[in-house]
This record gives sequence, C-alpha cells and structure tokens, in this order.
Amino acid sequence: EPEVTQTPSHQVTQMGQEVILRCVPISNHLYFYWYRQILGQKVEFLVSFYNNEISEKSEIFDDQFSVERPDGSNFTLKIRSTKLEDSAMYFCASRPQGPSHEQYFGPGTRLTVT
Amino acid sequence: AQSVTQPDIHITVSEGASLELRCNYSYGATPYLFWYVQSPGQGLQLLLKYFSGDTLVQGIKGFEAEFKRSQSSFNLRKPSVHWSDAAEYFCAVGASNAGNMLTFGGGTRLMVKP
Repeated sequence: EPEVTQTPSHQVTQMGQEVILRCVPISNHLYFYWYRQILGQKVEFLVSFYNNEISEKSEIFDDQFSVERPDGSNFTLKIRSTKLEDSAMYFCASRPQGPSHEQYFGPGTRLTVT
Repeated sequence: AQSVTQPDIHITVSEGASLELRCNYSYGATPYLFWYVQSPGQGLQLLLKYFSGDTLVQGIKGFEAEFKRSQSSFNLRKPSVHWSDAAEYFCAVGASNAGNMLTFGGGTRLMVKP
C-alpha cells in the first residue's frame, strides 16, 4: 500500500539555523499539507499546497516558513531561522483530487531546536 | 472558523469493555469529519471518515462513529476494547473548500486496563 514518507525521522538543530524537512507524498496525490504537533498539544495546520502554489496557510506559517515541490516527488518545508518554539513533530500529508477529502499522513519528523 | 472539542483528555477502560470517545465540532457548512489514531512515536492513522450519507460509519479495527448534526457531534465507539487500542485519538473536521485544511481536537488518550 502506498504511503507518505518523511525524512529525517529526527532532526536536531541549533537556534537560528535553517532546516529543511522532506516529504515524499503518495505519487498520484495532488494536494499536499504540513502540520505540526508541539509535544503534548494538538495537531495544527500549517499550510496546504496545490498546483505548485500555496492554497491556504495558517497564522503560524509566517515568513520564516516556506514550502516547495522541487521535483515531481518531493515536498519540502523550510524553516529559515529556527527558534526554540519551533521544536515539534512535523507531519506531511497528501490527498488525491476528487470528492474524497481523506488525507494520508506520514510518520513525522521530530524537530528539536537547542 | 471551524473548531473541534474533545472533552475527555484521558480515558481508562478495562479490556473487553465498551468505549465511547466524544467529539463536538463547530463548522458553518456540512462538515467532513474524521477520527485518527496515533500510537506513541507514530504518525496519524485514519480510523474512519464521514462525508455524507449514512450517519453511522464503520472504520477499521472495529471502530464506528455516528454523526449527529443536531448535537454537532461525531462520537467514536467500539463495543469491546483490546489492549492494543491504547493510543491517542484525534477527531478532526475538514473544510469543504479546495484547500481542505483539517482542524484537530486536542485528543483523548486511551489507556486500557488488563
């Protein structure tokens, strides 16, 4: 069964450094998402991406964040200058076009900012 | 704005007992509703979803949920809990616009006593 994959599984970085989190969505999916979950808190929407552009973003997704689909398979989330409060689990999700709105989630990348 | 409330942060049930996890949502239009399960250190797995039609939906692992529009609820049930059901359960509502961001509840952590 196809699945969403994410790399790395755990990333440790120093405050102020740039990080890129990578995702490979399911191959025939057209909508892509990033969510985050701060430890002990709810899962929060960051951004949705369709047709090579952002379709929606939350207030969390400020100028420090960017997304890109650099090729036909990868979907990346970049944080330009990490802050301590960016420490969280970041989930990528994708879904196909059509009436089904089911999103398929990857296993997540745990980002630790020190 | 859409929102989801899961009133119970923790629930403990005995193995073999029945289970009901509560979920209340707020959304201005017909909602798309989901239940996801997250085992420790894992990603989010879809248990079931409601888009339209029959208000009682069946999911994987013997779970079911009932959509009650009058109560703005989408409670998750299982007639007999297994020890392997111990996990965190998230209810989510999906927007009906093209971006279809998911808004999650705070989650309910289920513990199962032997």
